[in-house]
Amino acid sequence: AQSVSQHNHHVILSEAASLELGCNYSYGGTVNLFWYVQYPGQHLQLLLKYFSGDPLVKGIKGFEAEFIKSKFSFNLRKPSVQWSDTAEYFCAVNAPDSSASKIIFGSGTRLSIRP
Amino acid sequence: NAGVTQTPKFQVLKTGQSMTLQCAQDMNHEYMSWYRQDPGMGLRLIHYSVGAGITDQGEVPNGYNVSRSTTEDFPLRLLSAAPSQTSVYFCASSTEGLLLGGNEQFFGPGTRLTVL
Repeated sequence: AQSVSQHNHHVILSEAASLELGCNYSYGGTVNLFWYVQYPGQHLQLLLKYFSGDPLVKGIKGFEAEFIKSKFSFNLRKPSVQWSDTAEYFCAVNAPDSSASKIIFGSGTRLSIRP
Repeated sequence: NAGVTQTPKFQVLKTGQSMTLQCAQDMNHEYMSWYRQDPGMGLRLIHYSVGAGITDQGEVPNGYNVSRSTTEDFPLRLLSAAPSQTSVYFCASSTEGLLLGGNEQFFGPGTRLTVL
């Protein structure tokens, strides 16, 4: 079975600091990987996704993530955070040989940015 | 397009009551799913459907029923509500099929359910 681990439950940063949120998955086959974001009071939105090719994926709002297959990781990064990045971030995995849409989420990381 | 809609937005139930959470999408998506979101546990998949007439269990299906009679609608039924079902429920939809890249989920606004 697929599973996703996000080890940082709550991260607090100052504006302009660099961000890296960890994500590890367990699944032996080919995977598609996602990062979703949930801003306060809103529903989830897709930030970026990886399915093949360049392991460094760029998403919206200056976010990027790097897929490292040997480490089963898909960490999210941003060089300089803004107050508006305050949100909860969810890593997710899909095993396309089951259903191309069935996605399992991690427990989430709450990001708080100090102005 | 309205996207994914959910009703009600808020609901309070007493233990043992039943109710149905409604979910509809107007994007002609084959795949629909229900998640519950609890603090510190992220989103957990309850049930999903890959098309009308086809449903399957997710990670936490106990206490919930679903059906999919049309492409547009995917209601979630709580047969006998329990306090452990207090949560925020999200419905999501996406295209199905073996598309490269995995399929982006489109989420509804959520239903906040409290069971007393």
